[in-house]
Amino acid sequence: ETGVTQTPRHLVMGMTNKKSLKCEQHLGHNAMYWYKQSAKKPLELMFVYSLEERVENNSVPSRFSPECPNSSHLFLHLHTLQPEDSALYLCASSQDYDSYTDTQYFGPGTRLTVL
Amino acid sequence: AQSVTQPDIHITVSEGASLELRCNYSYGATPYLFWYVQSPGQGLQLLLKYFSGDTLVQGIKGFEAEFKRSQSSFNLRKPSVHWSDAAEYFCAVGANYGGSQGNLIFGKGTKLSVKP
Repeated sequence: ETGVTQTPRHLVMGMTNKKSLKCEQHLGHNAMYWYKQSAKKPLELMFVYSLEERVENNSVPSRFSPECPNSSHLFLHLHTLQPEDSALYLCASSQDYDSYTDTQYFGPGTRLTVL
Repeated sequence: AQSVTQPDIHITVSEGASLELRCNYSYGATPYLFWYVQSPGQGLQLLLKYFSGDTLVQGIKGFEAEFKRSQSSFNLRKPSVHWSDAAEYFCAVGANYGGSQGNLIFGKGTKLSVKP
């Protein structure tokens, strides 16, 4: 596998379920990101990890819980979600976090539907 | 606050025609500007980026963009569109908030349709 992979690609869950999204990057990068892409809204940055430490948490509700066990893997744990949380969740990585010049590489996303 | 505006939600062009997608930004300092493309069911792919120097930037797939500071614009162009260019295009600016330098602020995107 190359680049950034995400699993599952599609997920349907009820509001009382607990599920997790997984992201893996095979690029040797040090920074990883979670974005939310909703219809008719700009991409929203949710979380950023740099060298496995969370460096950004943009006022995301606590029902979203990120985890970065190592620099290659990033998880987004979901619990008691709301229907408005239905969206495409994108993972990205970059070589480092502290430079504009580093390109962010995106995974294909997980399409989440909350019933 | 930094922001990115893509005025056109949806554009349709004929195959072989030229294309220009508009992007305007609001940013107090020297901007770092990006164009990404998202094909259906795919993640975002970087087309090109501008940091400094020559204001005309060449990217992949035959795309180019021109940075115009006086107009706060970074429009994306292609001289001849192919059917495979049908996708959604996002302009982004590198932001510095919360003391960090690695964040991107995205526009809402422009969906490009290509007719035969």
